Amino acid sequence: QKEVEQNSGPLSVPEGAIASLNCTYSDRGSQSFFWYRQYSGKSPELIMSIYSNGDKEDGRFTAQLNKASQYVSLLIRDSQPSDSATYLCAVSAIRGSYIPTFGRGTSLIVHP
Amino acid sequence: EPEVTQTPSHQVTQMGQEVILRCVPISNHLYFYWYRQILGQKVEFLVSFYNNEISEKSEIFDDQFSVERPDGSNFTLKIRSTKLEDSAMYFCASSDAGENIQYFGAGTRLSVL
Repeated sequence: QKEVEQNSGPLSVPEGAIASLNCTYSDRGSQSFFWYRQYSGKSPELIMSIYSNGDKEDGRFTAQLNKASQYVSLLIRDSQPSDSATYLCAVSAIRGSYIPTFGRGTSLIVHP
Repeated sequence: EPEVTQTPSHQVTQMGQEVILRCVPISNHLYFYWYRQILGQKVEFLVSFYNNEISEKSEIFDDQFSVERPDGSNFTLKIRSTKLEDSAMYFCASSDAGENIQYFGAGTRLSVL
């Protein structure tokens, strides 16, 4: 069974700091990796996707993937109070299924 | 910007009743999905739909669930006889290809009393 593990948090960081969110996954065949942001009571909103080992940057967000270690992370630079949300890691395998498996999410609190 | 729309935003029903949750996927998308999220839990896949048939379903998607694309724009999830444990947020999503990014609707909160 595919598992995606995240620390539930909350992760609390001061405004302006770097927030680091981590995710591990069990299926070595996984090929696609996503980070979603979910505000309380709202739907998941895609913020980053990554498919190859290494870093991918988009504005204040950087996704990092290490397939050998089965590890994906999200860095948020210059964290803002509006970044306070739950961050969901989702993983899917091209082999067999494109359906992403979601982690439980990490709650991030950015305090002024 | 195109978006996935879901109606109603909140549905209250009595246990044992049938409910239909509605979704309008993004217009040029071909793949449609339903997920649910029980309060405080992870997002769980229910079913995917392509070319007018179910392409994949999870163990959750048992005989009490069905999906339909009744016309060119709507995609529905029917729960035949609701149980208390069906209370959750139900999200519809769509993508333009099976391996591509899925875009989520705002969700329908289903409350079974």
